Amino acid sequence: GAVVSQHPSWVICKSGTSVKIECRSLDFQATTMFWYRQFPKQSLMLMATSNEGSKATYEQGVEKDKFLINHASLTLSTLTVTSAHPEDSSFYICSAPNRQSRFSGNTIYFGEGSWLTVV
Amino acid sequence: GEDVEQSLFLSVREGDSSVINCTYTDSSSTYLYWYKQEPGAGLQLLTYIFSNMDMKQDQRLTVLLNKKDKHLSLRIADTQTGDSAIYFCAESISNDYKLSFGAGTTVTVRA
Repeated sequence: GAVVSQHPSWVICKSGTSVKIECRSLDFQATTMFWYRQFPKQSLMLMATSNEGSKATYEQGVEKDKFLINHASLTLSTLTVTSAHPEDSSFYICSAPNRQSRFSGNTIYFGEGSWLTVV
Repeated sequence: GEDVEQSLFLSVREGDSSVINCTYTDSSSTYLYWYKQEPGAGLQLLTYIFSNMDMKQDQRLTVLLNKKDKHLSLRIADTQTGDSAIYFCAESISNDYKLSFGAGTTVTVRA
């Protein structure tokens, strides 16, 4: 079963509204989570690192006020796209490493991803 | 993923082998990964290789790593129509859990 759950899988929203995407670790605590964005037919770009109990660390070029990240608990990080515009339409996916296990190639778990369409 | 480069397209006949190539730049990467993404779906971890290994085989998948040249390849034996997808090469950034992805190789399997 899924180790990291992401919700919603698909969302359509109107321009100007905000939409929240949740990333939840199911079987372990995740002090950090990562948010990626994929433009159509392009690669996944790291947007930010979500840190439990502190501010997120954003990659260069990512607008902090546009993409609000909150990591309020050890199992939940949320990404809120504020004042959404059609150019924000994209595939957003989170990952959560299980730091309680020894660093290994298979201890990074990805959510199912969320397809956002802004109309 | 400008630090990870891979060819964009590959067309292969069903039953043949597919080879997808990737080059990366971070010599401190501990793990290198191959992910598969089918249309409209999320990421599926196919396989990964530890940086001190040269080769890893897992059923139809063979990963070759040339650390000196920072070159990674994925070979899919007996390619099937279900293998049609986008394949992403990824490296761990600064030996951490965040990943840098290549642009993805679209593999098309023809009958």
